[in-house]
Amino acid sequence: DAKTTQPPSMDCAEGRAANLPCNHSTISGNEYVYWYRQIHSQGPQYIIHGLKNNETNEMASLIITEDRKSSTLILPHATLRDTAVYYCIVRVAGTDSWGKLQFGAGTQVVVTP
Amino acid sequence: DGGITQSPKYLFRKEGQNVTLSCEQNLNHDAMYWYRQDPGQGLRLIYYSQIVNDFQKGDIAEGYSVSREKKESFPLTVTSAQKNPTAFYLCASGQGGQPQHFGDGTRLSIL
Repeated sequence: DAKTTQPPSMDCAEGRAANLPCNHSTISGNEYVYWYRQIHSQGPQYIIHGLKNNETNEMASLIITEDRKSSTLILPHATLRDTAVYYCIVRVAGTDSWGKLQFGAGTQVVVTP
Repeated sequence: DGGITQSPKYLFRKEGQNVTLSCEQNLNHDAMYWYRQDPGQGLRLIYYSQIVNDFQKGDIAEGYSVSREKKESFPLTVTSAQKNPTAFYLCASGQGGQPQHFGDGTRLSIL
């Protein structure tokens, strides 16, 4: 699985959009980009995933560059409850080998009033 | 609601003692996983099981053991051979290419 690079931390004002970057320059053609977040002392929570098209759900939007070497997770209106560590992961979908999943250190997002 | 239940939330181990962490899921997922998380770090895979009565070692299996006698249950035993067991332990389950679901973790400390 391709490795990812994320900034260690970022701050965001409440009510503003939070844009979280992720670099995955070695991604393969059949690897998806997944985003999870982990609120302190809880298990990771799935947010969104995509292959090459932009995706949106009730939690966030995922923008993947045309060359697929990087992506951005967008939280459109950040709230204090969005304070968490956000993980970007690339993974071949359609298999059951999540055992190969690699969670790095992620980005610590702090939303301030 | 469907989900993953880990218990206990907090656990203390004495020196030389084995302790078992429970993980139960009602999502009907075939695969289950155990991860360890140290402060400020990502998740590291301990063991995983893709089917009942079968499991594989992850990256840091030494000092741990698991069993998978039932589809919904995947307990993890932290043995006395694990010299640095203090950590946050997370259980997850998955099916096919769907995203993993995680429990809320067990925090293990040494007395």
